[in-house]
Amino acid sequence: DQQVKQNSPSLSVQEGRISILNCDYTNSMFDYFLWYKKYPAEGPTFLISISSIKDKNEDGRFTVFLNKSAKHLSLHIVPSQPGDSAVYFCAASQSGGYNKLIFGAGTRLAVHP
Amino acid sequence: DVKVTQSSRYLVKRTGEKVFLECVQDMDHENMFWYRQDPGLGLRLIYFSYDVKMKEKGDIPEGYSVSREKKERFSLILESASTNQTSMYLCASSLRGTINYGYTFGSGTRLTVV
Repeated sequence: DQQVKQNSPSLSVQEGRISILNCDYTNSMFDYFLWYKKYPAEGPTFLISISSIKDKNEDGRFTVFLNKSAKHLSLHIVPSQPGDSAVYFCAASQSGGYNKLIFGAGTRLAVHP
Repeated sequence: DVKVTQSSRYLVKRTGEKVFLECVQDMDHENMFWYRQDPGLGLRLIYFSYDVKMKEKGDIPEGYSVSREKKERFSLILESASTNQTSMYLCASSLRGTINYGYTFGSGTRLTVV
């Protein structure tokens, strides 16, 4: 049973517009959430995270929103750039679990000119 | 910057072979992880280790074992490779108690079992 779900396998966005990637989770014990970005033939790289005590975290063009009651988080990229084209993974963790991350299936973002 | 190095980028092995995937990190991280990445399934945890000689099963440990004799090295072993173990294997490490910075991943090993 998937505890972290990314229901959109792909997303296509025009350069300069907003990209919104979504993630749902089922385990209410998760208290930390992260987004990773992965280019082909490379390992995933950490992008941004959020603790369950917050509902928003920003880092430059990237903002993550957390809705605990809906068990939903989203990553907003504004403005989108062609270099943002990659696979984005959502991940969740529970305190005291050796930092074990549970990942979603990923969403492939394509930003076109 | 912490670096996680996986010894091979591409491997082709025959069914039934014993396969070793090696991972080394250079920043004294306590935690190390092995994941496999498959299309539509994302990253799934195979095994992890939180200290030397310590190991814990992840979500899909069947057909795999691990070894952590030194802090910096974490090996994944496929006891008898099968075609359904064809996948991208990713090693990662993290400092204990620093989940807010996530993991550092290696570049991955693309394993093909024929």
